[in-house]
Amino acid sequence: AQSVTQLDSHVSVSEGTPVLLRCNYSSSYSPSLFWYVQHPNKGLQLLLKYTSAATLVKGINGFEAEFKKSETSFHLTKPSAHMSDAAEYFCVVSARGGYNKLIFGAGTRLAVHP
Amino acid sequence: DGGITQSPKYLFRKEGQNVTLSCEQNLNHDAMYWYRQDPGQGLRLIYYSQIVNDFQKGDIAEGYSVSREKKESFPLTVTSAQKNPTAFYLCASSGQVIYGYTFGSGTRLTVV
Repeated sequence: AQSVTQLDSHVSVSEGTPVLLRCNYSSSYSPSLFWYVQHPNKGLQLLLKYTSAATLVKGINGFEAEFKKSETSFHLTKPSAHMSDAAEYFCVVSARGGYNKLIFGAGTRLAVHP
Repeated sequence: DGGITQSPKYLFRKEGQNVTLSCEQNLNHDAMYWYRQDPGQGLRLIYYSQIVNDFQKGDIAEGYSVSREKKESFPLTVTSAQKNPTAFYLCASSGQVIYGYTFGSGTRLTVV
């Protein structure tokens, strides 16, 4: 069965410092992987997706993620945090099944301090 | 512009009332989904529909009902049987899963 684990429920960084949000997945086949961002009282917005092409995926707002099959990881990074990056981030894996199912991680809340 | 629209943004329900949350998409997606989000609990799937006139229960369907009479629309009714309906409700749609889901902006439901 497919699953996804976000290793940190909260991450706090200073503005201008790097961001690392960690995600491990479990899948018996080559999955599609996604990162979504959610600002307070808003819907989820797709940041980036991996679909078995290049292992380093670039997304919006300067975020990127690297697919590492040997480590079953898909960590999200950004070189320099901005105050507007404060939000909740969800790592998501596709699931093989009877419909177009995505499995969501529990989320990581990113706080950015001046 | 193509997208998915949820209305209303805020909704208040009295005890014992049924309320219906609207979700409309113009993305020509076959599949649509309803999620419930509570603080610290991530997203939980309520119902999903892969095609018109067909829908399936998700993980927490009790106290909810849906219909899918048109491809563009997937309304969710929160019935009086749902004992703790206060939450943020998100609707999503998708074509092929490799492209992910598109989400609406959500409806916050509060019981008063």
